[in-house]
Amino acid sequence: SQELEQSPQSLIVQEGKNLTINCTSSKTLYGLYWYKQKYGEGLIFLMMLQKGGEEKSHEKITAKLDEKKQQSSLHITASQPSHAGIYLCGADPGTGNQFYFGTGTSLTVIP
Amino acid sequence: EAGVTQSPTHLIKTRGQQATLRCSPISGHTSVYWYQQALGLGLQFLLWYDEGEERNRGNFPPRFSGRQFPNYSSELNVNALELEDSALYLCASVGTARVGEQFFGPGTRLTVL
Repeated sequence: SQELEQSPQSLIVQEGKNLTINCTSSKTLYGLYWYKQKYGEGLIFLMMLQKGGEEKSHEKITAKLDEKKQQSSLHITASQPSHAGIYLCGADPGTGNQFYFGTGTSLTVIP
Repeated sequence: EAGVTQSPTHLIKTRGQQATLRCSPISGHTSVYWYQQALGLGLQFLLWYDEGEERNRGNFPPRFSGRQFPNYSSELNVNALELEDSALYLCASVGTARVGEQFFGPGTRLTVL
C-alpha cells in the first residue's frame, strides 16, 4: 500500500509568517491532492497536482509536485488565522480503486 | 447544489451494539467513499462503493460493512461495536474519473461507551 508521510506533524506560526508543509510518498505519485480540514469537520479539496514540476496556487496557498523525489510541498504566504486547520495530502495509487491520505499537519496561526 | 450530507451528526452507543451511519452524495455522483478518522490516527480508508457495488475495502474487520442504494446514497454499518471504533466517520462522493477530487460530508462522530 502507498504511504504518505507529512512533515512537520504540527506547526505553530505567527500571523503573517510564511510556512511550508511537505508530503513524501513511498511509491510513485500518479496524482497528488491537498485537502484542508477544520477540526472535527469534513475535508475541503484545495488542489490537485499531476505532472512533475507542476505548481498551482489558490489564494495564498501554493503547491508544487516533485515527481522524481515523490514529494509535494504546500507553501502558505503571509499566514492568517483562517489558514488554521489540518492539512492532508492524498494520493491516487494509479489503480483507480483506492485513495490514500497522509498523516496530516496541524497548523495553528497565532494572531 | 447541495453538498454531501451525513446523518446523524453524533451517535453514542455502548460496546456490542450496532451503529448505522448514512451518507447522501452530491447529485449526479455515483461513487461514495467511507473513511474513519480516529483520534491520533490519520484518515483511514474503509469502503468504496460505485454504481451500487462494493469496489474495494480497506484493512478493517468484516463487522464494518455497508451498501449503496439505487439513488447512490450509502449506509455504513458497524456491528459488535468496540471502544476503539470511536471516531469521526467521513464519507466522500466523487463525480469524475479523478478519484482524488473528493467532496466530503461533515462527518458522523461515533462514540462507543
